[in-house]
Amino acid sequence: AQSVTQLGSHVSVSEGALVLLRCNYSSSVPPYLFWYVQYPNQGLQLLLKYTSAATLVKGINDFEAEFKKSETSFHLTKPSAHMSDAAEYFCAVSTTGGFKTIFGAGTRLFVKA
Amino acid sequence: NAGVMQNPRHLVRRRGQEARLRCSPMKGHSHVYWYRQLPEEGLKFMVYLQKENIIDESGMPKERFSAEFPKEGPSILRIQQVVRGDSAAYFCASSPPALGGSPLRPQETQYFGPGTRLLVL
Repeated sequence: AQSVTQLGSHVSVSEGALVLLRCNYSSSVPPYLFWYVQYPNQGLQLLLKYTSAATLVKGINDFEAEFKKSETSFHLTKPSAHMSDAAEYFCAVSTTGGFKTIFGAGTRLFVKA
Repeated sequence: NAGVMQNPRHLVRRRGQEARLRCSPMKGHSHVYWYRQLPEEGLKFMVYLQKENIIDESGMPKERFSAEFPKEGPSILRIQQVVRGDSAAYFCASSPPALGGSPLRPQETQYFGPGTRLLVL
């Protein structure tokens, strides 16, 4: 069985500060891991994904995430927050050949001017 | 290539009515998934379909909910006799067949539509 835990339902940072959104996963087989962003009243947009290649994954809008098997983590970071980054972020996991993507509860990011 | 299309974007129903939600996958995508998002929660898997087949409906409520993906036309999520607890955002996602393998296997990345926000009065 797979599961995803996102630590912190709300994160607030100042514009220009580091963004760190935490995600831990549980999977009995090698996982695929994803980060999605959701803006208000919109669908989910894929930020980046890990599919067993490089452990440091770069995505859109300067976001990146590092897969750490020993810590079962896939935290999302961005060096410098922008006001437009304010949104809800979801971490998700699926498996090779699988189709059921399991989502975390989400972390809402607030960016202060 | 147009993205995943969902309509309507907003749907208001009174208790006891039926709700029909439509999803057109991206071109070339033969795998469709439906998710439900309750307020302040993440997405919960409902059902996975391929053309004319329901592959996994383990997340679907046992009663009143059904889904189909006909040979022609969009995928439909149907909710009969809606209740207030059905109020939520319903998202459809699609994925193409896996590369170099069976077309029955999906790629791991799912592409999401904008959702249908259902409000039951």
